[in-house]
Amino acid sequence: EPEVTQTPSHQVTQMGQEVILRCVPISNHLYFYWYRQILGQKVEFLVSFYNNEISEKSEIFDDQFSVERPDGSNFTLKIRSTKLEDSAMYFCASSPGTSEKKLFFGSGTQLSVL
Amino acid sequence: GQNIDQPTEMTATEGAIVQINCTYQTSGFNGLFWYQQHAGEAPTFLSYNVLDGLEEKGRFSSFLSRSKGYSYLLLKELQMKDSASYLCAVRMNTGFQKLVFGTGTRLLVSP
Repeated sequence: EPEVTQTPSHQVTQMGQEVILRCVPISNHLYFYWYRQILGQKVEFLVSFYNNEISEKSEIFDDQFSVERPDGSNFTLKIRSTKLEDSAMYFCASSPGTSEKKLFFGSGTQLSVL
Repeated sequence: GQNIDQPTEMTATEGAIVQINCTYQTSGFNGLFWYQQHAGEAPTFLSYNVLDGLEEKGRFSSFLSRSKGYSYLLLKELQMKDSASYLCAVRMNTGFQKLVFGTGTRLLVSP
């Protein structure tokens, strides 16, 4: 089965530094998402992206966050100035269309902010 | 606001049947998902209900009652590899697959 791939699997950064998390969604998918999961807590929606623009974002997704689809295959999440509380597992997901029943999740990037 | 409740933890024995309940109160509803998540891994899709009733898929079944805001996931013939967290998630009717997750139920299957 096709997979969503994410790199890196682990990222350690200093507070205040910028990080870019990378994702390659499944090739014929049109909708892309970022979710995050702080250790021991629930999976939380960050942002959805369609047709080269953000379609919805949560309260967590403030001005420090941005997403981009720089080419036909990659989908990135940038955090401009990381905070300790940004430490979490970040999951990318994609779906072919909104009528599709399920999201396909990547294996995640564990971000640790020191 | 959105509120999705699941038990925090459950234990069961190999070969047994276990039912994991989920109740929800959300401002919109366009389907309910169950995902399985092993520690440190991505959620993987198990089932989807949008209409009332039971959906069966092998050893896993999921039930939905929209009027009661209630769902359950039934796992039969439990195996050790079923030890994982089970996440209940409501799809909001915003049209873009926004999922609101519960905190998950950690299931421990013992021999």
